[in-house]
Amino acid sequence: EPEVTQTPSHQVTQMGQEVILRCVPISNHLYFYWYRQILGQKVEFLVSFYNNEISEKSEIFDDQFSVERPDGSNFTLKIRSTKLEDSAMYFCASSVGGGKLTGELFFGEGSRLTVL
Amino acid sequence: AQTVTQSQPEMSVQEAETVTLSCTYDTSENNYYLFWYKQPPSRQMILVIRQEAYKQQNATENRFSVNFQKAAKSFSLKISDSQLGDTAMYFCAFLSNFGNEKLTFGTGTRLTIIP
Repeated sequence: EPEVTQTPSHQVTQMGQEVILRCVPISNHLYFYWYRQILGQKVEFLVSFYNNEISEKSEIFDDQFSVERPDGSNFTLKIRSTKLEDSAMYFCASSVGGGKLTGELFFGEGSRLTVL
Repeated sequence: AQTVTQSQPEMSVQEAETVTLSCTYDTSENNYYLFWYKQPPSRQMILVIRQEAYKQQNATENRFSVNFQKAAKSFSLKISDSQLGDTAMYFCAFLSNFGNEKLTFGTGTRLTIIP
């Protein structure tokens, strides 16, 4: 069964460093997302991406964050200068036609980011 | 803005019993979508069940069913004949019908099935 894969599973970085989290969505999916979950808190929406551009972003997704689909298969989340409060589990997700059409987002297992 | 509330941080139930997880939400919209997602210890969230607000009939998926009370803005999940594999974190989520594709999640309920 196809699945969303994410790398790395865990990354430890120093505050102020750049981090890139990578995701390979399911191949025929058209909508891509990043969510994050700070330990003990709810899963929060960061950004959605469709047709090679951001379709929606949250207030969390400030200028320090960017997303890219560089080669038609990978979907990356970059944090330019990490802060302590960026420590969280980051989930990538994809869907065929968006949640309203299919009702199902397929999530990866997450990348745990620890900022020291 | 929409909010989703899950008032039960943790629950446990004996195997083969029935358990109901609660979820309430707040929205001014009339048409929207509600979901229950399951996050097992392996951390990959998977969709359990989906409900469209315009449908009066409660959604069912095998042992999983919902009690959707639109006026009360309540969306509970019932798991019948619970199995050890049902042990997971369960998240209720809301999706607006307007424009964006942003899922709003509740804080989750950690469900443990006791053998």
